[in-house]
Amino acid sequence: DADVTQTPRNRITKTGKRIMLECSQTKGHDRMYWYRQDPGLGLRLIYYSFDVKDINKGEISDGYSVSRQAQAKFSLSLESAIPNQTALYFCATSDRQGGVTGELFFGEGSRLTVL
Amino acid sequence: GNSVTQMEGPVTLSEEAFLTINCTYTATGYPSLFWYVQYPGEGLQLLLKATKADDKGSNKGFEATYRKETTSFHLEKGSVQVSDSAVYFCALSGLNDYKLSFGAGTTVTVRA
Repeated sequence: DADVTQTPRNRITKTGKRIMLECSQTKGHDRMYWYRQDPGLGLRLIYYSFDVKDINKGEISDGYSVSRQAQAKFSLSLESAIPNQTALYFCATSDRQGGVTGELFFGEGSRLTVL
Repeated sequence: GNSVTQMEGPVTLSEEAFLTINCTYTATGYPSLFWYVQYPGEGLQLLLKATKADDKGSNKGFEATYRKETTSFHLEKGSVQVSDSAVYFCALSGLNDYKLSFGAGTTVTVRA
């Protein structure tokens, strides 16, 4: 089994629908992240959490919310999806040295299409 | 703020060709620099890193040298294989930042 698991892997939805992407990890890491990948733009940070009680906005948090239900679980919600939120979403984890070592561990991605 | 600029792709090469992907950065202080690789259908994984000026990171035949004077961290491989076909991302983290800033990614396709 993968260390970082994302569900669903693919989702097609309609404008205005609420969507939740879930992430769970078995690495025992404190830190979890949600990134969005768009062609030509690379990865952009949506939200990050350094522990269960510490959640922070990234560079593109508008239109998104997150919940850190446990150390191992970090979910991303789109309250009212819009077409420009169509993208590939990645969850990642790191230990407390992650920013120094650069070692993020990524899930396989969740491809979201908003019609 | 911190930012990374890498060469646009896509890049198409024949097997055993030399690969260079340029990466330059803007940051205050002395950031750590990284290359990540994303194989088709997978998440990103760390390829190599360098944490101070003149450091050389290396892995799987790839190398990159942290050049402070030119604010660059170019990725090189002397002889690519079909299995090197992937998207490559340059990234940096600032001092005490604990978050990575990624470049746009460069798609590399190696033909047999």
